[in-house]
Amino acid sequence: QKEVEQDPGPLSVPEGAIVSLNCTYSNSAFQYFMWYRQYSRKGPELLMYTYSSGNKEDGRFTAQVDKSSKYISLFIRDSQPSDSATYLCAMLNNAGNMLTFGGGTRLMVKP
Amino acid sequence: GAVVSQHPSRVICKSGTSVKIECRSLDFQATTMFWYRQFPKQSLMLMATSNEGSKATYEQGVEKDKFLINHASLTLSTLTVTSAHPEDSSFYICSASDPRAYGYTFGSGTRLTVV
Repeated sequence: QKEVEQDPGPLSVPEGAIVSLNCTYSNSAFQYFMWYRQYSRKGPELLMYTYSSGNKEDGRFTAQVDKSSKYISLFIRDSQPSDSATYLCAMLNNAGNMLTFGGGTRLMVKP
Repeated sequence: GAVVSQHPSRVICKSGTSVKIECRSLDFQATTMFWYRQFPKQSLMLMATSNEGSKATYEQGVEKDKFLINHASLTLSTLTVTSAHPEDSSFYICSASDPRAYGYTFGSGTRLTVV
């Protein structure tokens, strides 16, 4: 079993839809949670960074963490074709020296 | 924000030759940098942790003699793929953590094609 599980997709939605991306994890040592967006043939770009359980909002993006269930989500409101990319969840232990990625979910937003 | 520059973005080399990839932190000092490899439609696989002024730490299964890492300064780490073969063709990405910010910043990646 992988430490971080993420549905690979692809996930195809119409423009304007609300997108929900999720990851589950098994290692309780993970304390920091990140979402990265990666366009084809580019390096990952940090979208959201959270620590505690609960919600964190930044524009059209909302990151949600439920440590008791070991489950994190990224919601994208009013999705745009430019949001089409692979979204990677990543988790960091408390010492900050172990960064583990999910496999990534490929999202396609169709105009 | 933190910026990590990676060069070259794309390189094609002949089998048996060596290729050097550079990773620079432009506006912060990075005592530690990370090198990843990514195959098409797959996630990032950590290859090694590059430590300034000391030897790199390689992940299990990664050949240290094939993937030479040098972290000679606080802003530069290099990955040299020695005696490259077609199976080394992949997307290589570096990252670093800016102590002033959260999370890790990634370079734009290097697409290596060995022919």
